[in-house]
Amino acid sequence: GAVVSQHPSRVICKSGTSVKIECRSLDFQATTMFWYRQFPKQSLMLMATSNEGSKATYEQGVEKDKFLINHASLTLSTLTVTSAHPEDSSFYICSARGDRGQGRDEQFFGPGTRLTVL
Amino acid sequence: AQSVTQLDSQVPVFEEAPVELRCNYSSSVSVYLFWYVQYPNQGLQLLLKYLSGSTLVKSINGFEAEFNKSQTSFHLRKPSVHISDTAEYFCAVSDHGTASKLTFGTGTRLQVTL
Repeated sequence: GAVVSQHPSRVICKSGTSVKIECRSLDFQATTMFWYRQFPKQSLMLMATSNEGSKATYEQGVEKDKFLINHASLTLSTLTVTSAHPEDSSFYICSARGDRGQGRDEQFFGPGTRLTVL
Repeated sequence: AQSVTQLDSQVPVFEEAPVELRCNYSSSVSVYLFWYVQYPNQGLQLLLKYLSGSTLVKSINGFEAEFNKSQTSFHLRKPSVHISDTAEYFCAVSDHGTASKLTFGTGTRLQVTL
């Protein structure tokens, strides 16, 4: 149990286009989802935290108008990279947290999405 | 602010040999410490965690880590590694447990060979 999926696993797009990445909790309801970004040889950096039905909380330095996060249901959160540029190329990882009552009060991570912007 | 340092980006080791992956942290408040493992093409999985109590924590597959407050370290050890332990290992710190914001190290690639 506690499986989190991400789609797509890999995406290549042209500069200026928008890309949507999905994060799904497959066997539990995720009250909170986190989005991380990882550049080569660097650690995972938290971009934003989203709670179902409310606006995401962005970390300092992360542009909320560029990285749109929607957490419309307890099993799905999406990250849209708008007007992507080559510097947005990175590995994007989501995690999902359930609640203590489900025994899921920890973060479960998706396998990540590799975004390459040409 | 918190930070995590994993000095070794890669650790090659022969099967059945012992291994230690180093992790040091910096924080102005009390912390919770974690080790995550990432196998190829999979998401991060929690390996073990220190929240309180005994400073020595163990995983079900033979890894252990010891919280050393004076040295601000949480090194991961295993007395005898297996080929299947080949993976990326991330040390992380939080001030509110696994459910809250995690600050990660840069990761250590453990490569086990015959």
